[in-house]
Amino acid sequence: QKEVEQNSGPLSVPEGAIASLNCTYSDRGSQSFFWYRQYSGKSPELIMSIYSNGDKEDGRFTAQLNKASQYVSLLIRDSQPSDSATYLCAPTLNRDDKIIFGKGTRLHILP
Amino acid sequence: DGGITQSPKYLFRKEGQNVTLSCEQNLNHDAMYWYRQDPGQGLRLIYYSQIVNDFQKGDIAEGYSVSREKKESFPLTVTSAQKNPTAFYLCASSIGGNRRRLFFGEGSRLTVL
Repeated sequence: QKEVEQNSGPLSVPEGAIASLNCTYSDRGSQSFFWYRQYSGKSPELIMSIYSNGDKEDGRFTAQLNKASQYVSLLIRDSQPSDSATYLCAPTLNRDDKIIFGKGTRLHILP
Repeated sequence: DGGITQSPKYLFRKEGQNVTLSCEQNLNHDAMYWYRQDPGQGLRLIYYSQIVNDFQKGDIAEGYSVSREKKESFPLTVTSAQKNPTAFYLCASSIGGNRRRLFFGEGSRLTVL
């Protein structure tokens, strides 16, 4: 079983719609969860973090966490062409500093 | 400005040569990381270090070596034993602890000729 799984996409979403990105993880020791956005040829940048079950909203972005189901998601409302990028999920463990990423989901916003 | 500096940005190497990628941070972070990214793929962990003079292998450490003699520096050597070294290499750091996020450098793109 892969440690962190994401649908590689591409996920195509019309401009103005909601984009939904999903991530499952295998290690129940995962405590903190991060979503990074990566534009082609660039390094990743943090867009959301979530630590507790439930939803966390920041502008057009909402992260959702369900530790019992080992599932974390990212919703992007009012999708813009500038949201077209690869989104990487990274759970982290308390017991050490190892950080593993999912393969990422390529998101394409259709104008 | 605080941040992570990787150099060189682009590097070409002949087969059989070792190359060293530099990574320096002035964020006073304890933990540092090296990742490899191939086209259309996610980030794969090569090595990471939690403190000076200590480091651990990631998922794809074979053919790579690192050192952590100073808190600010975590160089990566791609050795001739790495069979397919052409890739985008990313260095990152974090403060460590429970809620650590990663700060990334701009990356180094290595091409083997």
